[in-house]
Amino acid sequence: AQSVTQLDSQVPVFEEAPVELRCNYSSSVSVYLFWYVQYPNQGLQLLLKYLSGSTLVESINGFEAEFNKSQTSFHLRKPSVHISDTAEYFCAVSEGGNEKLTFGTGTRLTIIP
Amino acid sequence: EAGVTQSPTHLIKTRGQQATLRCSPISGHTSVYWYQQALGLGLQFLLWYDEGEERNRGNFPPRFSGRQFPNYSSELNVNALELEDSALYLCASNGGQGWTGELFFGEGSRLTVL
Repeated sequence: AQSVTQLDSQVPVFEEAPVELRCNYSSSVSVYLFWYVQYPNQGLQLLLKYLSGSTLVESINGFEAEFNKSQTSFHLRKPSVHISDTAEYFCAVSEGGNEKLTFGTGTRLTIIP
Repeated sequence: EAGVTQSPTHLIKTRGQQATLRCSPISGHTSVYWYQQALGLGLQFLLWYDEGEERNRGNFPPRFSGRQFPNYSSELNVNALELEDSALYLCASNGGQGWTGELFFGEGSRLTVL
């Protein structure tokens, strides 16, 4: 069965510093991988996704994630964070392309001015 | 275009009572998903409905049930409420044009069980 681990429940980062949010998954078959973001008092929204092809995927607001099959990871990175990036970030996996997303427990990113 | 809408925003019940939560998907979306977001546990998959049928169910007891109506809106019912059912219940919809993993979420219904 698929599962997702986000080891860091909270990550504080200074503004304009780089950040990495870690995500590891467990699955015995091919997977689709996703990062969702939940801004304060808002619903979740898709940030970026890996379905196939290039293992490096990017979002429109400067985040990127790399699918690493050997390490079963899909870490999220941004070279320079802004106050507006304050949110909770959820990694999710869909096993074999089936229509069920399994989410991690989330990482709360706090930006320090 | 309206997004996914959920009602009520907040609901307070006591142990043993029943709660009903409602969800309207984005117009044209035929799939509805329900997730429970309890403190510290992330999002736990509850139910998936498509074209009026239950397609998949998470690891929750039978007192969690639901249905999807002909207009694709959905209802989640929780019977015999327990304190640990207190959580944010999120509904999401999907366009049905092939699975791409993008779910569109509502802002949730917060259920408090006293």
